[in-house]
Amino acid sequence: AQRVTQPEKLLSVFKGAPVELKCNYSYSGSPELFWYVQYSRQRLQLLLRHISRESIKGFTADLNKGETSFHLKKPFAQEEDSAMYYCALLYSNTGKLIFGQGTTLQVKP
Amino acid sequence: GAGVSQSPSNKVTEKGKDVELRCDPISGHTALYWYRQSLGQGLEFLIYFQGNSAPDKSGLPSDRFSAERTGGSVSTLTIQRTQQEDSAVYLCASRTSGVLYEQYFGPGTRLTVT
Repeated sequence: AQRVTQPEKLLSVFKGAPVELKCNYSYSGSPELFWYVQYSRQRLQLLLRHISRESIKGFTADLNKGETSFHLKKPFAQEEDSAMYYCALLYSNTGKLIFGQGTTLQVKP
Repeated sequence: GAGVSQSPSNKVTEKGKDVELRCDPISGHTALYWYRQSLGQGLEFLIYFQGNSAPDKSGLPSDRFSAERTGGSVSTLTIQRTQQEDSAVYLCASRTSGVLYEQYFGPGTRLTVT
């Protein structure tokens, strides 16, 4: 069955420290994965997708099919990165997204 | 140029009452989704509408939940005989027909069942 797992509910780091938000998936087909972010009092929004291999706000994520992972990384965390992060898997051609449980990133000054 | 809007922003109801949550998608967006966001459960898919096709109701947790989309635009999510476990933030999202993954989310309706 298709599933997205984010093992950490809360990740707390100090400003300037590296950060890695973990995401593992289970999917029988060719996966398309995304990271969505929700800042405090803002709407959930798309952060990045694996196909584009882009860096957004200093974040990158590499799809590792061998480990079925799509971890989100940033070398130097900033306080404004504090937010809830959701990993999502595109399931079927309907655009149905399967989300993980979410990880709250807290960047302390 | 408004985004997805939802109303009400907050709803407190007594257990056993029915509630209706409304979603106004971005104009021209053909696809509309409802999700439930609750602590410990993350974001759960509830239902999906695409044009005039039959909706994908596979995520609705029970028959107390239903949704409709009138005129291919506004959608209403109805929860009958609410239970305390229905307390959550209900999110609506819409997208264009072309880009499957980029869903635009509304601000959500926080439902509290007392």
